[in-house]
Amino acid sequence: DGGITQSPKYLFRKEGQNVTLSCEQNLNHDAMYWYRQDPGQGLRLIYYSQIVNDFQKGDIAEGYSVSREKKESFPLTVTSAQKNPTAFYLCASDPQGQLGSPLHFGNGTRLTVT
Amino acid sequence: AQKITQTQPGMFVQEKEAVTLDCTYDTSDPSYGLFWYKQPSSGEMIFLIYQGSYDQQNATEGRYSLNFQKARKSANLVISASQLGDSAMYFCAMREGGSNYKLTFGKGTLLTVNP
Repeated sequence: DGGITQSPKYLFRKEGQNVTLSCEQNLNHDAMYWYRQDPGQGLRLIYYSQIVNDFQKGDIAEGYSVSREKKESFPLTVTSAQKNPTAFYLCASDPQGQLGSPLHFGNGTRLTVT
Repeated sequence: AQKITQTQPGMFVQEKEAVTLDCTYDTSDPSYGLFWYKQPSSGEMIFLIYQGSYDQQNATEGRYSLNFQKARKSANLVISASQLGDSAMYFCAMREGGSNYKLTFGKGTLLTVNP
C-alpha cells in the first residue's frame, strides 16, 4: 500500500541533543512538507520541498534543518537551537502543482525533550 | 493576520444530529482551495472535503458538505447525522495559488458527539 511512514512514533531526547525524524513516502509525490503541532494550535509549516535537492523555509524554520537527497525521503533534524522542541511533528506529501490535491499525511512523531 | 480562523474551540452535538463547524479565511488571491481535515485522538490527519474558489457548487462527500460563501469568505463544514466516531479535532485549511501551494491551517475545533 502507498503511504507515508514516519518513525519513530515516540521519541525522547535530552536537551542540547540534535534529533532526526524520519519521513519516507512511496507515493511518487514530488512535494513533501514538515508541520509542527502544539496543543490548542493548528499545524504550522516548518519546511517544504517541491523537488529533490531543493527546499524552502516555512513559517517556523528556526532551529530546524532538512535534506531532500531522494524523492522518497525528507528527514527533519531538530537542533539544539530550537527553544521549544517538544511537539507533535507531521510529515506530508502531495503530487505538487495541483491546487486541489490534498496533502497525504504520515501518522506523526511525538517528540519529548527534557 | 490569520489567514484561517476557526472561532469554535469546542463543539458538542447529539448523536444523529447535524453540526456546523465554522471557518473564515482571508486572501486576496483569486485562485485558492479550501480543505477540511479530521484528526482523531490517534493523531493521523484524514482529508474530508475540498472546495475550489472557482467551484460553482458546494462540495459534498457523503455525510460531509461544505457551505461555501465566497463573498463572506467562509467555508463551513456541515456534518449530517453525527456518529460517535466523528468525535475528533477538525481543521480548516487553505492553499493559495500564488504561494507555492503551501497549506495554511486554522487552530481547529474539537467536536464531541454525545450518545
